[in-house]
Amino acid sequence: DGGITQSPKYLFRKEGQNVTLSCEQNLNHDAMYWYRQDPGQGLRLIYYSQIVNDFQKGDIAEGYSVSREKKESFPLTVTSAQKNPTAFYLCASTWDRNPKNIQYFGAGTRLSVL
Amino acid sequence: KQEVTQIPAALSVPEGENLVLNCSFTDSAIYNLQWFRQDPGKGLTSLLLIQSSQREQTSGRLNASLDKSSGRSTLYIAASQPGDSATYLCAVNTNAGKSTFGDGTTLTVKP
Repeated sequence: DGGITQSPKYLFRKEGQNVTLSCEQNLNHDAMYWYRQDPGQGLRLIYYSQIVNDFQKGDIAEGYSVSREKKESFPLTVTSAQKNPTAFYLCASTWDRNPKNIQYFGAGTRLSVL
Repeated sequence: KQEVTQIPAALSVPEGENLVLNCSFTDSAIYNLQWFRQDPGKGLTSLLLIQSSQREQTSGRLNASLDKSSGRSTLYIAASQPGDSATYLCAVNTNAGKSTFGDGTTLTVKP
């Protein structure tokens, strides 16, 4: 089955800890995105990548970091600098950044602070 | 800066009723608009994508309209069913590929 896999489904972070959320896609898409969703709100863009070894900051990149070493993978690290990390994190991908293309989403990772 | 508003935030209807969800945006310079469905604790599923040059798109019981000049889109759901219960989000996209999402409307269809 083609799709986007996010893991883990639930993640807990201790104070001062960095945690990494995984996003893998087998759709052969070039562009990948990370969004944050807070309760009752829409999605806000954290980072996006249009091609391997390249990524750009979105609207709320502070306290987060990403890498894109492989086309299939776009992991997100929530660093200790992110003071309010509790949220639902969604990964998405498209063929490229052309807005004609529909975004496909993973099932999300819910991050909570212990 | 583009702002997207969805009203109402929540809606509860009896099964079988036709309903309309609203999405408004402040900057009419959009490339297209997309409606998504989100089930609790899950990712987003694309329902309809409507280009800025189009007036409406239909898929089954769903019909999305777009009035770019007034900054409005509606999602019409005919003959609603309990399985339609979910949160519906709209997103407007620029020609640079940037998406701005609304906060969503949570729909409950009661049997």
